Amino acid sequence: EVHLVESGGDLVQPGGSLRLSCAASGFTFSTYAMSWVRQAPGKGLEWVSALGTGDHENDIHYADSVKGRFTISRDNSKDTLYLELSSLRAEDTAIYYCAKDSRSYGGHQLDYWGQGTLVIVSS
Amino acid sequence: EIVVTQSPATLSVSPGERATLSCRASQDVGSDFAWYQQKPGQAPRLLIYDASTRATGIPARFSGSGSGTEFTLIISSLQSEDFAVYYCQQYDDWPLTFGGGTKVEIK
Repeated sequence: EVHLVESGGDLVQPGGSLRLSCAASGFTFSTYAMSWVRQAPGKGLEWVSALGTGDHENDIHYADSVKGRFTISRDNSKDTLYLELSSLRAEDTAIYYCAKDSRSYGGHQLDYWGQGTLVIVSS
Repeated sequence: EIVVTQSPATLSVSPGERATLSCRASQDVGSDFAWYQQKPGQAPRLLIYDASTRATGIPARFSGSGSGTEFTLIISSLQSEDFAVYYCQQYDDWPLTFGGGTKVEIK
């Protein structure tokens, strides 16, 4: 059974930084692209970033709203996906979900999702 | 960026009735289209991908159709567990974009 468990969410001040992690199990993590999707309180879903793997490990994409501030990475030896958040703004407050892509390169349906980790940006 | 517009924002339906949800993409996305269900306090769950293919374990009462710019999700006979928010998503081009959601509520 596929399991994705996010962690690292916290209350952080504007301008601060944070690193989110997503531990994967139940599938061969190294063979699938992964994405981060966020959801502000009471709002809809917003895709944040995607990262391929294998031959597509340099296939990296970001939403314009986070480009230059967030960095996605993965450690296939640890079956873990990361998202480094910096220069945080109030509008980055959201639940951050990691989600599994259906292929090794991104840009497809997201077939499994974690339960999310909450990031609150506030002074 | 491809804008995805969902309608209606809220749909009131009685149990056992049929629900029809719509999405429109601002440009042709072929069949690169998915639907997700989200219940309160839970993560989204993939229902439909490639516009009309049901994901693993999804009941046959959920069906997707459409291509190009117009897409539809039909829930043929609403069960109590189907009352939720539904999102559509295009994955034809970056950035991936979602519709604003349709809340299906009990009438």
